[in-house]
Amino acid sequence: DGGITQSPKYLFRKEGQNVTLSCEQNLNHDAMYWYRQDPGQGLRLIYYSQIVNDFQKGDIAEGYSVSREKKESFPLTVTSAQKNPTAFYLCASRTGATNEKLFFGSGTQLSVL
Amino acid sequence: RKEVEQDPGPFNVPEGATVAFNCTYSNSASQSFFWYRQDCRKEPKLLMSVYSSGNEDGRFTAQLNRASQYISLLIRDSKLSDSATYLCVVNGAGNNRKLIWGLGTSLAVNP
Repeated sequence: DGGITQSPKYLFRKEGQNVTLSCEQNLNHDAMYWYRQDPGQGLRLIYYSQIVNDFQKGDIAEGYSVSREKKESFPLTVTSAQKNPTAFYLCASRTGATNEKLFFGSGTQLSVL
Repeated sequence: RKEVEQDPGPFNVPEGATVAFNCTYSNSASQSFFWYRQDCRKEPKLLMSVYSSGNEDGRFTAQLNRASQYISLLIRDSKLSDSATYLCVVNGAGNNRKLIWGLGTSLAVNP
């Protein structure tokens, strides 16, 4: 079945630790996105990539990093510089820049120990 | 004024009721509009796109009012399974056409 797979579902981070969230899609979509959702808040864009080997900062990129070495994969690293990382992280993809319908993975809940 | 605004609710309605949500947007140049549904601790899922002429999908009807800059979602004959948060999404203007997400409206359908 085609879709977007995020892993892990739950992740715990220790102080000063970097952690990486995985996002893989087999939909052959060009564009991929990372969003963060906090309780009672809307989705906020962290990073996005419209093509392999290219990515752009979103509204809240500080403390995060990404790579897009393959079309299928768009991992997000939450670095120790991100002081408030506890949130629900959502990865999404869409076919192209002119098609705004997003398909989401099931999300990763990140918590700080 | 926020770029996309929704009444957070919660809306508590009995089964079978009709309920409507509005969502206002600030950028008159916006071209695309969507309603997504999100269940607790789950990913958002596209419910329907909103077209200028309005569109209907079963019990759900979406409409766009460009003059007043709002979109609406009407749910008829509410089911228990309709309980969720409904997110309004508007595309931004400019070259990157960034999607702007509302905070969502919470709906609880009660037996």
